[in-house]
Amino acid sequence: NAGVTQTPKFRVLKTGQSMTLLCAQDMNHEYMYWYRQDPGMGLRLIHYSVGEGTTAKGEVPDGYNVSRLKKQNFLLGLESAAPSQTSVYFCASSYSIEPDTQYFGPGTRLTVL
Amino acid sequence: SQQGEEDPQALSIQEGENATMNCSYKTSINNLQWYRQNSGRGLVHLILIRSNEREKHSGRLRVTLDTSKKSSSLLITASRAADTASYFCAGRIQGAQKLVFGQGTRLTINP
Repeated sequence: NAGVTQTPKFRVLKTGQSMTLLCAQDMNHEYMYWYRQDPGMGLRLIHYSVGEGTTAKGEVPDGYNVSRLKKQNFLLGLESAAPSQTSVYFCASSYSIEPDTQYFGPGTRLTVL
Repeated sequence: SQQGEEDPQALSIQEGENATMNCSYKTSINNLQWYRQNSGRGLVHLILIRSNEREKHSGRLRVTLDTSKKSSSLLITASRAADTASYFCAGRIQGAQKLVFGQGTRLTINP
């Protein structure tokens, strides 16, 4: 099993450009999450999904959109990138909500110039 | 706002010593988890302790939970160089569908 994979691993964008980060999991997990990690801030939840076709806002959703068209995939989109979105993005998945042990991908390092 | 606060922010010890990290949180939780993150990698789940448990062990890890003080501690015994990483606590807030992570403790084990 590959677990949770993320594409791409690195990306540099110019302000105003758009991009999509792809997360895939092969563990048949219902729940998927997108976090961003910034120095000294820990992980902050951007959006999450409790099943195929569902999405919900997390702690810092502004400037991001998500889609969960297939159970195994969770996409994070930036429509118009801003320097404040420079961060490391992590995708995670979990089998259930209780307990909700989360399995993380390796991360995507995004720089917005 | 961050639910969990960890103390210390950084800890440096000699190989073989024990390392203790603390986590405090603000509201009631269903469970508390600890994760490890090696530099440049994703987080890896270490251990989960439920709100009705006071202590839990897993190998060289010992976790305690004090719900009255809203705090938890992670003890790593007989530390090894491979334990060098950042450690995060994460709480499942009652009634919420998400974990909230602390800012992490950066642990360095010196050979």
